[in-house]
Amino acid sequence: DADVTQTPRNRITKTGKRIMLECSQTKGHDRMYWYRQDPGLGLRLIYYSFDVKDINKGEISDGYSVSRQAQAKFSLSLESAIPNQTALYFCATSDKQTARYEQYFGPGTRLTVT
Amino acid sequence: AQSVAQPEDQVNVAEGNPLTVKCTYSVSGNPYLFWYVQYPNRGLQFLLKYITGDNLVKGSYGFEAEFNKSQTSFHLKKPSALVSDSALYFCAVRGAGNTPLVFGKGTRLSVIA
Repeated sequence: DADVTQTPRNRITKTGKRIMLECSQTKGHDRMYWYRQDPGLGLRLIYYSFDVKDINKGEISDGYSVSRQAQAKFSLSLESAIPNQTALYFCATSDKQTARYEQYFGPGTRLTVT
Repeated sequence: AQSVAQPEDQVNVAEGNPLTVKCTYSVSGNPYLFWYVQYPNRGLQFLLKYITGDNLVKGSYGFEAEFNKSQTSFHLKKPSALVSDSALYFCAVRGAGNTPLVFGKGTRLSVIA
């Protein structure tokens, strides 16, 4: 969905490096999410934010941190990358007014930690 | 806690045949159920959802899904499969309250010409 963009789209980094993945959205949604996808494990929630001042841990938050710089921007950081953080990372958004409804996903960032 | 099970890692079907991708769920209260599709090197695309009402919901690309409360299932179906339907399919559920979607592990559909 072009309304949700992620940068970079691909990144290779070394163990121990700090890396930031960025997500921006033009949908005007207040809720944003970070998931990681691993083969055979589906999508697992890392962090989510219901507004700029509301940040919540998900299922697998250890080793990650987030920053909600504005309603439209939600960044995911790996403070010291490790190989088992190699995965496909997705940002998603949803609208508070239709909170029961679907989430919209960005194109993903493929991260490789060597 | 809410959860989703997709019991089949892989489903193979011949082009033109009907297809079913299975999903069962566990949630407190009324479920909000979703199907997403992921094509190679792409993000997840929304297919359809069940919020309330008719148990048979229709979505994009000719897909439909049937909500069965007694069996806690939400199977994805299509009457006639196309090769272009080959992709990874995810079922997801949201329960009551301000909770994000919980996804199943995905089922890879392969439609053979």
